[in-house]
Amino acid sequence: AQSVAQPEDQVNVAEGNPLTVKCTYSVSGNPYLFWYVQYPNRGLQFLLKYITGDNLVKGSYGFEAEFNKSQTSFHLKKPSALVSDSALYFCAVRDLKAAGNKLTFGGGTRVLVKP
Amino acid sequence: KAGVTQTPRYLIKTRGQQVTLSCSPISGHRSVSWYQQTPGQGLQFLFEYFSETQRNKGNFPGRFSGRQFSNSRSEMNVSTLELGDSALYLCASSQVLADPSTGELFFGEGSRLTVL
Repeated sequence: AQSVAQPEDQVNVAEGNPLTVKCTYSVSGNPYLFWYVQYPNRGLQFLLKYITGDNLVKGSYGFEAEFNKSQTSFHLKKPSALVSDSALYFCAVRDLKAAGNKLTFGGGTRVLVKP
Repeated sequence: KAGVTQTPRYLIKTRGQQVTLSCSPISGHRSVSWYQQTPGQGLQFLFEYFSETQRNKGNFPGRFSGRQFSNSRSEMNVSTLELGDSALYLCASSQVLADPSTGELFFGEGSRLTVL
């Protein structure tokens, strides 16, 4: 079965510093990977996805993610964090053995950006 | 273009009651998925509907059910509520341009259910 792991429950970073949120995956075959962000009392918002192609994927709000097949990782990065980036971040993988859109999510990483 | 709309946003029920949650997808999206979010279990997949047919189902008891109408709107129902059903229920819609889909999900803001 496929799975996604986010090893850090929380990441603290100072505003202006680089932000990295870690994600590792386990799938059979090529992965379809996604990052979502959730602000308090809101639904999830799509940030970016990797389907195929360049290992560096650029997304919304200045975020990017690097797909590393050998390390089975898909870490989310932002060069300079903002206080407004404080939120809950989820990594997800699409279940390719099921038709449609079923996603398996990691447990989430809370990001706190301090002024 | 309007986003995914979920109603009601908040509701309180007591054990043993049933609840119906509604989701209106983005116009043109034919796939609707439901997820349960709790602090302990995180985000768990409930089911997905496409063209009024259930395409995928997660590992939830039969008390959890859903349906999709011809206009793609979807409802989910939970019968005989238990305390553990307290959660944020998220609906997401998506276009289906390929199978397996490469598209992202667009989430609503959720329905927060509290079971007393």
